[in-house]
Amino acid sequence: KQEVTQIPAALSVPEGENLVLNCSFTDSAIYNLQWFRQDPGKGLTSLLLIQSSQREQTSGRLNASLDKSSGRSTLYIAASQPGDSATYLCAVATTDSWGKLQFGAGTQVVVTP
Amino acid sequence: EPEVTQTPSHQVTQMGQEVILRCVPISNHLYFYWYRQILGQKVEFLVSFYNNEISEKSEIFDDQFSVERPDGSNFTLKIRSTKLEDSAMYFCASSPGQGMSGYTFGSGTRLTVV
Repeated sequence: KQEVTQIPAALSVPEGENLVLNCSFTDSAIYNLQWFRQDPGKGLTSLLLIQSSQREQTSGRLNASLDKSSGRSTLYIAASQPGDSATYLCAVATTDSWGKLQFGAGTQVVVTP
Repeated sequence: EPEVTQTPSHQVTQMGQEVILRCVPISNHLYFYWYRQILGQKVEFLVSFYNNEISEKSEIFDDQFSVERPDGSNFTLKIRSTKLEDSAMYFCASSPGQGMSGYTFGSGTRLTVV
């Protein structure tokens, strides 16, 4: 069974610092991995999707890497802003169950002005 | 940008009552999903749906739950006899194909069972 872990559980940084969020998964037979942002009491906003054949994806200040062999993905957010404060979730779909996302517990990020 | 729309945003119901949560997936998407998030816990998969059939369901999705696509636009989750432990945020999601383009989630329905 796929287990997804996110470390750290919470992170507080001053504005302007780069953020590094980690996601690990136990089953390397992944179909894809998706990073989401969740604001308190709100829905899930997709940030980046990495297919199993890809090593990284970039969108603006966001960059996500994928290393299937070590079971890790890292989300980098450059030059953080207070508006980046949210919970970031990692979700993995495996090849034998591509329609079923397994979520991590998330990393709660606070960016202080 | 196309959105997945969920209604209502918040529903309060008495234990034992039936509830129907509604979703309008993105119009050209073919695969539909329900997830839930109990307060303070991980987002959990409930069910996936394609071609008017359940593709996969989790152990949470027991006989109390059912899904339906009653027309060409709506996708519903019914809980027949709600329990206190059904209180959660329920998310609907859709994808155009077999997940290759990712999954788009709605903003959720917060269900409170009292």
